[in-house]
Amino acid sequence: QQQVKQSPQSLIVQKGGISIINCAYENTAFDYFPWYQQFPGKGPALLIAIRPDVSEKKEGRFTISFNKSAKQFSLHIMDSQPGDSATYFCAASELYGTDKLIFGTGTRLQVFP
Amino acid sequence: DGGITQSPKYLFRKEGQNVTLSCEQNLNHDAMYWYRQDPGQGLRLIYYSQIVNDFQKGDIAEGYSVSREKKESFPLTVTSAQKNPTAFYLCASSDRPASNYGYTFGSGTRLTVV
Repeated sequence: QQQVKQSPQSLIVQKGGISIINCAYENTAFDYFPWYQQFPGKGPALLIAIRPDVSEKKEGRFTISFNKSAKQFSLHIMDSQPGDSATYFCAASELYGTDKLIFGTGTRLQVFP
Repeated sequence: DGGITQSPKYLFRKEGQNVTLSCEQNLNHDAMYWYRQDPGQGLRLIYYSQIVNDFQKGDIAEGYSVSREKKESFPLTVTSAQKNPTAFYLCASSDRPASNYGYTFGSGTRLTVV
């Protein structure tokens, strides 16, 4: 119930293409869904986050789509660039809970020129 | 610059040794967390602390110990009871609620058993 399932494990995209990473959860008490970006040898950094009162949130080339009934959310990276090559983690937590983030297993994205 | 400092960046441990990983933050955050990162397994929570002098076990606390004597410091000790300690360890902090502010992570400590 506490798991967040993330797919795919790795993704190769051509420069300018769209990268899509999917996550699914079971715990209906989750109500905060952030995405983190991690470069090799560094800690993850918050990229974008969504709450279930909206179905989509966009920040620049990054968009989160959220489907509450399916308990799924996804990250779309438009016009993918080589600088986007990193590992991406989805996560979830309860808004009024312990602030613990439950992370997905990560997706390694490689964008080729 | 405000942030989280983890030290050392690389650490080598002999079998049977305890080692302590340092985590210091100057963000004035109440909550601090320790995660372990292994390839293909994402980030798994070891311990977390929401306030000074209080901490709770995460999902994989066995073989680890922590203390939170100061708001800015949350050291993690990897004890000899941890059978597979080789991993990348990440410390994070957040203001509360974390859903308003997100986590700030340090740059990690890579621990290797030799």
